[in-house]
Amino acid sequence: GIQVEQSPPDLILQEGANSTLRCNFSDSVNNLQWFHQNPWGQLINLFYIPSGTKQNGRLSATTVATERYSLLYISSSQTTDSGVYFCAGTDSWGKFQFGAGTQVVVTP
Amino acid sequence: ETGVTQSPTHLIKTRGQQVTLRCSSQSGHNTVSWYQQALGQGPQFIFQYYREEENGRGNFPPRFSGLQFPNYSSELNVNALELDDSALYLCASSLPSRDTFYNEQFFGPGTRLTVL
Repeated sequence: GIQVEQSPPDLILQEGANSTLRCNFSDSVNNLQWFHQNPWGQLINLFYIPSGTKQNGRLSATTVATERYSLLYISSSQTTDSGVYFCAGTDSWGKFQFGAGTQVVVTP
Repeated sequence: ETGVTQSPTHLIKTRGQQVTLRCSSQSGHNTVSWYQQALGQGPQFIFQYYREEENGRGNFPPRFSGLQFPNYSSELNVNALELDDSALYLCASSLPSRDTFYNEQFFGPGTRLTVL
């Protein structure tokens, strides 16, 4: 299967700071998604972004499918942004593969 | 519109036992996938069901099996439980579009299984 690499693995931010999370795929994927996992384990859909750029409030994402990577931007971070962020996509064998996640901690 | 639901929320079993986890897909979604998430790791794809047929499987042994029913709800069955099966089990549903089979997935809250 494909490899999904997320960076950085951990990120500590002060409230109000901006950050960029990256997701690299070893091969092309379909239906790339970004999720935020809350402390109770619920995966919350942030973006469905097979290609292009989308924005939702303080969050935005860009996927460059031809270069097999995606970026998630968090602007003016808040303590409620803390948690684990995952990217995932479907490989050519039909398996929806996740990265290991980025643990984000936003301090007041 | 009802989201993805899973039951039970938590479950404790002992080694060697069998367990059944349940998932109701989001209204109108005919594809269900199951994932295992060990502590500190990303979810791992177990298998996917589309219109009651298995439609893809990850690297899990045959003791992990599933079913999808005509109403698109699904079950995950695990036989001969091992300690390493302790994990959060997530279910997701999606609706293939006309242009692509693979579409946005929506996840349930998960079932936390502990094997003692």
